[in-house]
Amino acid sequence: GAVVSQHPSRVICKSGTSVKIECRSLDFQATTMFWYRQFPKKSLMLMATSNEGSKATYEQGVEKDKFLINHASLTLSTLTVTSAHPEDSSFYICSASYGEVMNTEAFFGQGTRLTVV
Amino acid sequence: AQKITQTQPGMFVQEKEAVTLDCTYDTSDPSYGLFWYKQPSSGEMIFLIYQGSYDQQNATEGRYSLNFQKARKSANLVISASQLGDSAMYFCAMREVYNTDKLIFGTGTRLQVFP
Repeated sequence: GAVVSQHPSRVICKSGTSVKIECRSLDFQATTMFWYRQFPKKSLMLMATSNEGSKATYEQGVEKDKFLINHASLTLSTLTVTSAHPEDSSFYICSASYGEVMNTEAFFGQGTRLTVV
Repeated sequence: AQKITQTQPGMFVQEKEAVTLDCTYDTSDPSYGLFWYKQPSSGEMIFLIYQGSYDQQNATEGRYSLNFQKARKSANLVISASQLGDSAMYFCAMREVYNTDKLIFGTGTRLQVFP
């Protein structure tokens, strides 16, 4: 199956700093990528839809100035957590699919565990 | 309203036995797709099985099968011959025709397989 690579897998940062997470589709072009956040023992919550060459579409309640998304190419989307605070600590995971056909599975990155101290 | 509901926060099953993980969904779209993913403790999301709303037969993939009851809006995952490696979180997800790129997830069920 298609491969989506997410980097870094773990990051610890100080409160007030910014952290960038990368999501790459390695063997296909992903016009759309998705960013999810997952709290411990909870479900995946869709944060935003990242579209190549245009602004991301954020879900209700997600601060767009806090979580900056850039989809600079068909194979790369980045999520930057700006001015991180301890409550931003979470598991962030991206996904991509190479079509809008109903039965196209979403391929997920390995996830990034962010800890803000 | 919840689009995807998984009512079992945790399930236990003995090795080699079958287990059913429940999933109900809510949509007014005539065309939609239902997915099951497995998430081990490492965090990766592993695709297991897909069922389309117009599919006449229940989907099967190896030891996984989907008990699709359209009128009841349920899409339960059946794992046969459970293995210790099946211990993980399992998520049901849905994609709707008017929004074919979004996957919406349920709250998940933690399955533990014991010897």
